[in-house]
Amino acid sequence: NAGVTQTPKFQVLKTGQSMTLQCAQDMNHNSMYWYRQDPGMGLRLIYYSASEGTTDKGEVPNGYNVSRLNKREFSLRLESAAPSQTSVYFCASRQQGARETQYFGPGTRLLVL
Amino acid sequence: GENVEQHPSTLSVQEGDSAVIKCTYSDSASNYFPWYKQELGKRPQLIIDIRSNVGEKKDQRIAVTLNKTAKHFSLHITETQPEDSAVYFCAARSGNAGNMLTFGGGTRLMVKP
Repeated sequence: NAGVTQTPKFQVLKTGQSMTLQCAQDMNHNSMYWYRQDPGMGLRLIYYSASEGTTDKGEVPNGYNVSRLNKREFSLRLESAAPSQTSVYFCASRQQGARETQYFGPGTRLLVL
Repeated sequence: GENVEQHPSTLSVQEGDSAVIKCTYSDSASNYFPWYKQELGKRPQLIIDIRSNVGEKKDQRIAVTLNKTAKHFSLHITETQPEDSAVYFCAARSGNAGNMLTFGGGTRLMVKP
């Protein structure tokens, strides 16, 4: 049981390049989330998926797109990377129902030059 | 939307002393308040949580208190140890926001041996 996994661990992009961050969970959770974490700041929600087939914007969605490929996988895409998107990206998942806990992946550190 | 303020941003204590971190939230409909611990370079991990129908919850050396009237909640760590050194985040889940968590800005706790 790996929990929440993310790839890649670290990525360097040039301004204007695109990339997709991958996230998968093996806990059979319904809800999945993408956050970004900038130095000195808390986690800010980019997008979330309450269940397979649905996605919604969070607090900072501009410049990103997401795909809930199936129940296990939730990807985040940067179509044209900008230096302001340099951050650490965390994926999380949560089981629907009484348990509220969000479980986080190990994070992807992204540097946009 | 929900807004969560966290204080202090840094906290230094002597080993064995107590540490208190405070958070305020804006949405009176918020009903779930988790606390996460994040060690350097690692993912956030849940350490304790409280629901709005409970005023206090304890788990060994950590406790959380909630004051719904004043819209604030606090994390208390007693008998601090060097391994408690980390960044701590509070969060609030609004009942009107599709199970999204809004995070505070974080508190860097340093426990000096």
